[in-house]
Amino acid sequence: GENVEQHPSTLSVQEGDSAVIKCTYSDSASNYFPWYKQELGKRPQLIIDIRSNVGEKKDQRIAVTLNKTAKHFSLHITETQPEDSAVYFCAASTGGFKTIFGAGTRLFVKA
Amino acid sequence: NAGVTQTPKFRVLKTGQSMTLLCAQDMNHEYMYWYRQDPGMGLRLIHYSVGEGTTAKGEVPDGYNVSRLKKQNFLLGLESAAPSQTSVYFCASRLGLAGITDTQYFGPGTRLTVL
Repeated sequence: GENVEQHPSTLSVQEGDSAVIKCTYSDSASNYFPWYKQELGKRPQLIIDIRSNVGEKKDQRIAVTLNKTAKHFSLHITETQPEDSAVYFCAASTGGFKTIFGAGTRLFVKA
Repeated sequence: NAGVTQTPKFRVLKTGQSMTLLCAQDMNHEYMYWYRQDPGMGLRLIHYSVGEGTTAKGEVPDGYNVSRLKKQNFLLGLESAAPSQTSVYFCASRLGLAGITDTQYFGPGTRLTVL
């Protein structure tokens, strides 16, 4: 069935460094790829998304890239700050009813 | 505009008790979802609804029932709670326009403990 694999499960970086989280999806019909940030005890919130007709999208310090051929997409956070510490989820959707979520990456940014 | 709200925020049940979790959205969204989130397991879909009066099973539906009598509300019921249902439950909704894949918006969550 549909699946989204997310790596790494835990990522620790020094403040100011970059962080990269990678996801692979199985359903080639997927055309929408959102990324959510979930702070401790809070709800998941959308931080950036990309559609299949775009290869890259950037919003200030965060960017997402999509490789449809390889069925890979990645989240890049530059100049990380302690407030970036959270769990990040990738997801993939085909336009149907369901969105398939990755298992999450716990990011620690050390001051 | 409150977005997606959930009640209650916290609940402790004894094994065998029943309860209903309420999700409400004021964004006129068609699609609504119930997920559970357990440590290290991400978000797992329990049930979903694509419109008023409709419901469907997700990935982990056993032990849960749902109803969508009004477009803005999606109820999740536990008829006989079990310790395995201890989890954080999130409701989500999305607009659901035909042919357009749009974003899900999540409620604040309900932390349920079953003793």
